[in-house]
Amino acid sequence: GAGVSQSPRYKVAKRGQDVALRCDPISGHVSLFWYQQALGQGPEFLTYFQNEAQLDKSGLPSDRFFAERPEGSVSTLKIQRTQQEDSAVYLCASSLSAGGSGTQYFGPGTRLTVL
Amino acid sequence: AQSVTQLDSQVPVFEEAPVELRCNYSSSVSVYLFWYVQYPNQGLQLLLKYLSGSTLVESINGFEAEFNKSQTSFHLRKPSVHISDTAEYFCAVTSQEPGRRALTFGSGTRLQVQP
Repeated sequence: GAGVSQSPRYKVAKRGQDVALRCDPISGHVSLFWYQQALGQGPEFLTYFQNEAQLDKSGLPSDRFFAERPEGSVSTLKIQRTQQEDSAVYLCASSLSAGGSGTQYFGPGTRLTVL
Repeated sequence: AQSVTQLDSQVPVFEEAPVELRCNYSSSVSVYLFWYVQYPNQGLQLLLKYLSGSTLVESINGFEAEFNKSQTSFHLRKPSVHISDTAEYFCAVTSQEPGRRALTFGSGTRLQVQP
C-alpha cells in the first residue's frame, strides 16, 4: 500500500482483557514509532524501532505495554490487562531514514475503548 | 527533554482572513521543528518542517512558519485561509541528538474557518 496501515481501526475491550494492535509501515521504511493520543491531546511517544531493534521504549507507561517488530517490518503493540485509562487512539508512524530529520508518516490510528 | 506549548486550543477565523497559530518550545538541545495537520476523519500529515538554513519554511498550500531561536517559537501563518483549511494543527519537535527520534507534540490548535 501507499501509506501506513493499522488494524483494527476500532477496538472495544473489557477491562482486564489483552489487546493486540497491528501496524504495517510503508515498505522499506527503517524506522517505526508508536504514539498514544488521548482525547483532546497531542500524540505522546511510546516506543521506537530501527529495523527489528527497539531502540527507545521510554514512553511505554507500564510493563503492561509491549511492542515488537520481529522481522523489521510489521509491528504489534500489545496491552495486557487493559484498564480504562488505556482508552485512546494508538498511532503508528514510519520513516524512511534513521536520522531525526526524516519525516514520520502516520497511519490512521486504532481507537481503543476500554469498558 | 523537550516540551511544546500551543497556547490557543481553538482559533475561529473567517474565510480569506489571515491566521497565525502559535507554537513555543523548550529544549536543552538543538531541535528539528514540524507542523502536522489532521483533517477531519484523517490521519496526521506533515505540513512543513524546519531542519536548518533559512528560518522561513513554506508548505505547498500557502502556509509558512518561521523559526525564531531567540524566542524559541515556530509560529504558523497563512495570509488568506480557505474553508478547506479547517483542521487540527499540531506543532512538534525532535532532538537533533543521534538516536533521539521521538516527536514531542503540542496539544493542538483547532482552526475553524467560517464562511
